[in-house]
Amino acid sequence: GDSVTQMEGPVTLSEEAFLTINCTYTATGYPSLFWYVQYPGEGLQLLLKATKADDKGSNKGFEATYRKETTSFHLEKGSVQVSDSAVYFCALGKGTYKYIFGTGTRLKVLA
Amino acid sequence: ETGVTQTPRHLVMGMTNKKSLKCEQHLGHNAMYWYKQSAKKPLELMFVYNFKEQTENNSVPSRFSPECPNSSHLFLHLHTLQPEDSALYLCASSQGLLPGGGEQETQYFGPGTRLLVL
Repeated sequence: GDSVTQMEGPVTLSEEAFLTINCTYTATGYPSLFWYVQYPGEGLQLLLKATKADDKGSNKGFEATYRKETTSFHLEKGSVQVSDSAVYFCALGKGTYKYIFGTGTRLKVLA
Repeated sequence: ETGVTQTPRHLVMGMTNKKSLKCEQHLGHNAMYWYKQSAKKPLELMFVYNFKEQTENNSVPSRFSPECPNSSHLFLHLHTLQPEDSALYLCASSQGLLPGGGEQETQYFGPGTRLLVL
């Protein structure tokens, strides 16, 4: 069946470090791919998305490229800030109102 | 602010209580969802409504009873819960209606209700 695999956390970085959070997926058809972020005590917020192969989603300095050949959608940011500390979820969506979420990766950025 | 609100934000209840969670979306969407988020587990989709009709029920125990009176409101009625039901309950909405990519699928989440069952 369809699935999403994220790297285990937590990920701890110093401020201004480069961030990569790996996400790979298994799916039939052509899903859309999403990154959501969850700050402490809050719900999930859409961070970025890509709807077809080779699309790049970007927002707030974060980027991810939909790679069909490697079935990946890795999240990157060139210079993280303390305010980026949160849990990041990779998800795939198909046209049946179903999302499949990864287990989440906690990011902690130290000043 | 995502346009999806949930009340209450926190709830403590005993196993014999009856309570309800409320979700409201101000986005003009047609599909609404309930998820359960427990520690160290992936988000679990519980129920999906599209145009007020329930389209998914992922083997959720009957002590959870959803209600969708219109496309803007979604309730989750709780009755005789167990301590293992303690979790963050998240509501989401999307445009729905058509299968396909992009905006129709993007889900927007509320802040959640943190539930503790004693």
